[in-house]
Amino acid sequence: GENVEQHPSTLSVQEGDSAVIKCTYSDSASNYFPWYKQELGKRPQLIIDIRSNVGEKKDQRIAVTLNKTAKHFSLHITETQPEDSAVYFCAASTTNNNDMRFGAGTRLTVKP
Amino acid sequence: GAGVSQTPSNKVTEKGKYVELRCDPISGHTALYWYRQSLGQGPEFLIYFQGTGAADDSGLPNDRFFAVRPEGSVSTLKIQRTERGDSAVYLCASSSQGNTEAFFGQGTRLTVV
Repeated sequence: GENVEQHPSTLSVQEGDSAVIKCTYSDSASNYFPWYKQELGKRPQLIIDIRSNVGEKKDQRIAVTLNKTAKHFSLHITETQPEDSAVYFCAASTTNNNDMRFGAGTRLTVKP
Repeated sequence: GAGVSQTPSNKVTEKGKYVELRCDPISGHTALYWYRQSLGQGPEFLIYFQGTGAADDSGLPNDRFFAVRPEGSVSTLKIQRTERGDSAVYLCASSSQGNTEAFFGQGTRLTVV
């Protein structure tokens, strides 16, 4: 089955700086890559997703890039704010199998 | 509109007991996922339903775990002979079909004492 690895496990940045989180996947058939944000004690919520037919997608301060050849995708957050502090999870799934697998998560801390 | 609902929100049980965790997906969502999340970890895949059938149950850790979705809507995760290592937050998610945004419930925090 699909195996998703995520790095780093923790990330601390100064407010206003950028943050980058990287994930790799193993199944070349994976074609849907969502990113979830989970605040303490709350459920994971989708913040952005990308499909394999595009290489980059942007939504205000967040962007995701995908390199299918290398089987990795990244989350980029610019102009970070303290409220961006949370755990971020990447995931991957395929059209055929659909069993979405998650990375281990990155705990992002934005220092004011 | 109503989101994914999970009951109970918290469950404390004694080692060796049987528990059932319930998930009410968003109405009309055919895909349903169960995950287990331990403290500081990512959601660990358990089982995925498409409609009434378990399309992939490869994540169930052993035969003490079983899940059903008899009418293609509500799902129940069943754990027999619970062990302390089963303690975790059990998350349910649903999506309109596979390979699209999955919406998570609030989770059931299971504690086995």
